[in-house]
Amino acid sequence: QVQLQESGPGLVKPSETLSLTCTVSGGSISSHYWSWIRQPPGKGLEWIGYIYYSGTTRYNPSLKSRVTISLDASKNQVSLKLSSVTAADTAVYYCARLAAYCNNDVCYTAWFDPWGQGTLVTVSS
Amino acid sequence: QSVLTQPPSASGTPGQRVTISCSGSSSNIRSNYVYWYQQLPGTAPKLLISRNNQRPSGVPDRFSGSKSGTSASLAISGLRSEDEADYYCAAWDDSLSVLFGGGTKLTVL
Repeated sequence: QVQLQESGPGLVKPSETLSLTCTVSGGSISSHYWSWIRQPPGKGLEWIGYIYYSGTTRYNPSLKSRVTISLDASKNQVSLKLSSVTAADTAVYYCARLAAYCNNDVCYTAWFDPWGQGTLVTVSS
Repeated sequence: QSVLTQPPSASGTPGQRVTISCSGSSSNIRSNYVYWYQQLPGTAPKLLISRNNQRPSGVPDRFSGSKSGTSASLAISGLRSEDEADYYCAAWDDSLSVLFGGGTKLTVL
């Protein structure tokens, strides 16, 4: 059973870079998509982006200029970097496996399952 | 403001049937699958409905999903106290981004 665990600093200063790691256990990150999603306190979910094990990435257009998602297959880890953070970036950050299905040799990203437990990152001086 | 629109709240008494709506557009719900996630208090979201109406293993058949045009619905029958949670719809857009609804807080009275 695949399990995901987010880790990283819980407090980041404004204008600095938020860095988080998602460690995958119980399975390999190969042949899968991996995604980051965040949830500001008391608010809804916002997709940040995803990475395929081959290195292909796609980001939310509203965050694209500040986001980098990468992976380290040797460590079974997926990482998130978000630069120039402000208080609006305060949120619980989740990593999740992104399932895909293929139809006539075309593959489509689909649902998020499983999710990590999430980690709260506060942006404050 | 979310591109997928959900009512902020819903409620019902034990045993009742409740539905939660999710409204989108031709570039997301009409042309792509809808997914539903359940978020129990203090926990991470969990996949509840996949590909409009498919229940993952372990999800009770009290939960059902449907889609028509640019709208989708989640129905919960035989409402139970443990169903009290936030529910989110999601759909991929033709721009290859995933959109979430704003979430519906379900209260079991």
